[in-house]
Amino acid sequence: SQKIEQNSEALNIQEGKTATLTCNYTNYSPAYLQWYRQDPGRGPVFLLLIRENEKEKRKERLKVTFDTTLKQSLFHITASQPADSATYLCALDSGSSNTGKLIFGQGTTLQVKP
Amino acid sequence: DTGVSQNPRHKITKRGQNVTFRCDPISEHNRLYWYRQTLGQGPEFLTYFQNEAQLEKSRLLSDRFSAERPKGSFSTLEIQRTEQGDSAMYLCASSFSDRGDTQYFGPGTRLTVL
Repeated sequence: SQKIEQNSEALNIQEGKTATLTCNYTNYSPAYLQWYRQDPGRGPVFLLLIRENEKEKRKERLKVTFDTTLKQSLFHITASQPADSATYLCALDSGSSNTGKLIFGQGTTLQVKP
Repeated sequence: DTGVSQNPRHKITKRGQNVTFRCDPISEHNRLYWYRQTLGQGPEFLTYFQNEAQLEKSRLLSDRFSAERPKGSFSTLEIQRTEQGDSAMYLCASSFSDRGDTQYFGPGTRLTVL
């Protein structure tokens, strides 16, 4: 069955360091992968989308890589700040033709300490 | 545009009661999605609409759940004869299918079934 896994343990880092979050998937051939941020009690907020033919994508302090051979995406936040503390979700398209239906990982909670 | 809105934000009900939630998507978006999220998990897909047509329903969506989008604008999700296992955050998201695959989420409705 299709499966998406993210680091289940919370990630604690010091302000200014780079946070790296991992998303692995099996039994999928997604056309794209997305990363969302979710704060407690709120809906997810879209951050970045990377397509299967793209290796890397950047947006300000964020960088995402997508390795379709390893079936893995890495999400980096450089020069992290306490305001980056949140849960980060990766999501893949379901593989069904153009439904837009997303399959989410369980999320990784990031805590950035001042 | 103010984004996706959902009402109510919180709902507490007794087991066996019916509840209805509303989602107002971003106005020009033709796709609308419903997801359910429990604590410590990522959102799980329930159903989606393109305009007023409901195109896919998850197996998670039992016969007690029904969703509508009568005029291709707002949507409602009704749960009949609620059970304690229905307690969760119900998230709505919208997208414009011809402009890529980013989904914009609402703040969610937190349902507690006593």
